Order: sequence, then structure tokens, then C-alpha cells
Amino acid sequence: DVKVTQSSRYLVKRTGEKVFLECVQDMDHENMFWYRQDPGLGLRLIYFSYDVKMKEKGDIPEGYSVSREKKERFSLILESASTNQTSMYLCASAPSGVRAEQYFGPGTRLTVT
Amino acid sequence: GENVEQHPSTLSVQEGDSAVIKCTYSDSASNYFPWYKQELGKRPQLIIDIRSNVGEKKDQRIAVTLNKTAKHFSLHITETQPEDSAVYFCAASQLTGGGNKLTFGTGTQLKVEL
Repeated sequence: DVKVTQSSRYLVKRTGEKVFLECVQDMDHENMFWYRQDPGLGLRLIYFSYDVKMKEKGDIPEGYSVSREKKERFSLILESASTNQTSMYLCASAPSGVRAEQYFGPGTRLTVT
Repeated sequence: GENVEQHPSTLSVQEGDSAVIKCTYSDSASNYFPWYKQELGKRPQLIIDIRSNVGEKKDQRIAVTLNKTAKHFSLHITETQPEDSAVYFCAASQLTGGGNKLTFGTGTQLKVEL
């Protein structure tokens, strides 16, 4: 059974703080993704990684960076948190190849005040 | 890049009725179209997917149809039950064997009323 875990379910940070969100998967998946989910906007891709130390920008990368030093761990970094980054953040992992199902983590509700 | 539009944004049906959610995509190279269900407070989970080499796929009460010419695909739920109440997301992707990035629609809130 695939397990994707995220470091926090709820997080409250102040404007300007550096924020780290961590995601860990236990299925040896090559691909990992970070999304933000906002009402009426669906799931929007921030960054994804298809291998260790590899990353690609998604649709809304501005204000974010990522790190993937180990295959099982994918971190999302908010360099200087702003109130418009208040959102639900979802991590996902998926194998490469034709088995394309993405497995999501439980999400982190981030509030920036 | 790919753009996926999804309609309606909300859908209310009576228990036992059918529900249909429609999506359109823009990139003719897309060849994989999954549907995810997200119950309140839970993570999205894949419920059904279709690849561009077939026009329809069924799994019990749910089915998905694909019209490649028109670039649209739909989710059909028959005999709806209260546990079908959730947000449903369509998505599109070009499977390459590598990253397989998904582009999601904006979601449909389905409410099944007793």
C-alpha cells in the first residue's frame, strides 16, 4: 500500500518567514509533485521532480523552490512567505512509465499571517 | 501548455439519478485522462482513467468517455449514492514514460441528496 506523508497537517507562519514543507513516499517512485489547492482553482502544479536532484517548474513556480536530495523525499520551500501563499499544499508521487497514477499525501494547510 | 476546462463547478442530483461531468482539453498530444475523487477533508484518489486508444471505459457505476476529435471527455456516474458526494477532478497528460505531469481541471462539487 502506497504511503505518502507530509510533515505537517496545519502550519501557521508569519509574512517573510522561510517555510519548509516536506513530503516522503515509501514506494520507490521516481516522480514527485507539489500542488496547491485553492477553491475554484483546482490543483495547480508548483514543481515536480522525475529523479533525484532533478526538478522542473510547473504552472505556478513563482515564490517557491524545491529540493530532492533523496529519492523518497521532496521538499517545498517558500523563501519568504506571503499572505497570498496561504493555501492547501498537496504532495504526490507516481511511478514512471505507463502506470501513471499519482498518489497524494494528506495535505498541509498553510496559513501566512 | 495543456489547458483543461471542467463543467459544471457544482452539481446536485437526487439519490439514484445519474451525474455527468464534462472536461475539455487543448493539447492534441495528450493521451491519458484520469479522474480523481476527493472526499471532504481527504486526499484525492484515482477512480478511473482512460487512454486515447479507447473511446469508453466502465467500472461498475462509473464510466468515462473520450472524444479525441472534439478534445473532450466525460465522467458518468449512474445510480448515485450519498457516498458519491465529493469533489471530482479531471486531468490530462501526455504519457512519455518519464515525468507524466498532469494538468487538472478546476473541479466539480457533486452533492447527492436523499
